[in-house]
Amino acid sequence: QKEVEQNSGPLSVPEGAIASLNCTYSDRGSQSFFWYRQYSGKSPELIMFIYSNGDKEDGRFTAQLNKASQYVSLLIRDSQPSDSATYLCAVKPPSGGSYIPTFGRGTSLIVHP
Amino acid sequence: DAGVTQSPTHLIKTRGQHVTLRCSPISGHKSVSWYQQVLGQGPQFIFQYYEKEERGRGNFPDRFSARQFPNYSSELNVNALLLGDSALYLCASSVDRAGSPLHFGNGTRLTVT
Repeated sequence: QKEVEQNSGPLSVPEGAIASLNCTYSDRGSQSFFWYRQYSGKSPELIMFIYSNGDKEDGRFTAQLNKASQYVSLLIRDSQPSDSATYLCAVKPPSGGSYIPTFGRGTSLIVHP
Repeated sequence: DAGVTQSPTHLIKTRGQHVTLRCSPISGHKSVSWYQQVLGQGPQFIFQYYEKEERGRGNFPDRFSARQFPNYSSELNVNALLLGDSALYLCASSVDRAGSPLHFGNGTRLTVT
């Protein structure tokens, strides 16, 4: 059973702080990792994807991947109330497999003024 | 460019009825996937189609079926609706089956009474 685990939260941070969202996965050979943001009642919106170990930055967002430890994280710098949403981690299995991404249940982030 | 479009946006059906949900992918995307999302959970995989062939099927009963048309649009059909089928149904498209990220439509909110 391929699993993607996320703490459901809520994670509460003050405006301007760094929010750190974590995700662990069970399939060691997984190659592609994605973070989605989902506002209440809306559909998931792609924020970032990462394929290689290390950090990838895009504006206020940084994705960090550590394949040896099987975790991927998302850092949000200078958090804003508009960042309040559920953040979904998705992991695609290795090449040659089903190519079907598995989603975690999401972490609820609350950024309070 | 238009994103992934889904119709209808909302639907109310009675137990035992049949429903058809429709999805048009982003232009140039050949892969369409369907997901079911219930409140508080991450999206659960139902089907993936690529180049008009079914390439993956999740753990859903045979009441669920889908197809992809020559223009890469897709339909999801659910027969003999149950109360438990009430959920947000998400369609996502991607350029290919491999590492490219999924892009979601706005979803269809299905309520079964």
